[in-house]
Amino acid sequence: AQSVTQLDSQVPVFEEAPVELRCNYSSSVSVYLFWYVQYPNQGLQLLLKYLSGSTLVKGINGFEAEFNKSQTSFHLRKPSVHISDTAEYFCAVSPMNTGFQKLVFGTGTRLLVSP
Amino acid sequence: DAGVTQSPTHLIKTRGQQVTLRCSPKSGHDTVSWYQQALGQGPQFIFQYYEEEERQRGNFPDRFSGHQFPNYSSELNVNALLLGDSALYLCASSFSARGAEAFFGQGTRLTVV
Repeated sequence: AQSVTQLDSQVPVFEEAPVELRCNYSSSVSVYLFWYVQYPNQGLQLLLKYLSGSTLVKGINGFEAEFNKSQTSFHLRKPSVHISDTAEYFCAVSPMNTGFQKLVFGTGTRLLVSP
Repeated sequence: DAGVTQSPTHLIKTRGQQVTLRCSPKSGHDTVSWYQQALGQGPQFIFQYYEEEERQRGNFPDRFSGHQFPNYSSELNVNALLLGDSALYLCASSFSARGAEAFFGQGTRLTVV
């Protein structure tokens, strides 16, 4: 079984400041890793994913994440945030050893960007 | 491409009633998954359909059932509704490949009163 822990339920930050949203996971098998963003009253949009290869992954809207296998972490970063980045962010994993994709999500981190 | 579309967008039902939610996958996708997102929580996997069969099921009771049609669209049925079934129900579609990106619809907001 897999589990995902997002250590911060809410992260307040000022516009143009850097931000890091933390994600740790637990799994008995290797996993794919994802970050999704959810704007109010909307579904989920994929920001980035790690399947294999380079541990530093770049996504949309200037976000990037680094996979650290030894620490079982996949933290999301952005060097300079905008007001429009205010949203809920979800980290998710999917086991590699199955022929289908089941996403296991964390409880989410609300990013609040203020002027 | 319309992406993943879900209907209806909002729904209010009474305890004990039954409800059917619908999902049309993104063009070319053959796999549909359903998730329940309670307020303030992350989405929870309900089940996944591929080739008109349920491939895997999460920890949800038998009151939750589904169907996939030959055109890959899908329905989620919930019987004997409970207050605790109030949530945003999300449909996700993807290719049947490992690591394939799941595209989500905007969801159906179900309120049980």
